[in-house]
Amino acid sequence: EAQVTQNPRYLITVTGKKLTVTCSQNMNHEYMSWYRQDPGLGLRQIYYSMNVEVTDKGDVPEGYKVSRKEKRNFPLILESPSPNQTSLYFCASSLSRTGLKNYTFGSGTRLTVV
Amino acid sequence: DAKTTQPTSMDCAEGRAANLPCNHSTISGNEYVYWYRQIHSQGPQYIIHGLKNNETNEMASLIITEDRKSSTLILPHATLRDTAVYYCIVPLRPLYSGGGADGLTFGKGTHLIIQP
Repeated sequence: EAQVTQNPRYLITVTGKKLTVTCSQNMNHEYMSWYRQDPGLGLRQIYYSMNVEVTDKGDVPEGYKVSRKEKRNFPLILESPSPNQTSLYFCASSLSRTGLKNYTFGSGTRLTVV
Repeated sequence: DAKTTQPTSMDCAEGRAANLPCNHSTISGNEYVYWYRQIHSQGPQYIIHGLKNNETNEMASLIITEDRKSSTLILPHATLRDTAVYYCIVPLRPLYSGGGADGLTFGKGTHLIIQP
C-alpha cells in the first residue's frame, strides 16, 4: 500500500533530550515535507526537501533539523526540545514539488515536551 | 497570507449534499484551486482541484464560478465519515512560476459537521 509512515505516533519527552521522528514513504516521491499543527494556527511548514541532499526551511524551522540522505526517508530532529514544540507533526510527500494532487500525508506524531 | 476565505463551520444532514463555499477573489488567470480535508487528527487528504471548468471525481464535485473568484465543493451524499475540516487552497505562487507544495497554506478551513 502506498503510504507515508511516521514513527512514533505518540511521544512524551523531557526538555533538552534529543529526539528524532522518522518519516518514510514507499512511493518513490521526490518531494517531502514536515508540518506542525497547533490549535488555531493551522498547519505550518517546518522544512521541506525537493530531492536527496536538498533541504530548505519552511515557515517555522527554528529548533528543528532535517536530513535527506535517501529518497524514501526524511527524519525530523529536535536537538534540544522545548515545551513550545509540543504539537502534532505531519510528514508529507509528493512526486514533485508541483505534484499537489498526489500530496500524501502521514498519520501524524503527537509530541509532548514537559 | 492565505489567498482564500471560507466559513468557519457548517452543518449538513446525513444523506444530503454538502456545499462548501470558498472565496478566492484575488486568484489570477492560471492558478488552480485545490481542496483537501482533514479528518480529526489525521493527515490532510487531497480531494480535488480545478482551474476554470467544473470537475468531478469519486469523492466530490468542484464548481468554479465563471469569473473564478469563488468555488464550491460539493459532497453529493454526505455521510458521518465526511465530518472533517475542509481546506480550500490556492498556492502562494502559481505552479507555472515556480510555486509548489512549499507554498501551500493550510489555513483554518471549514469544519463540516454531518448530523445524523
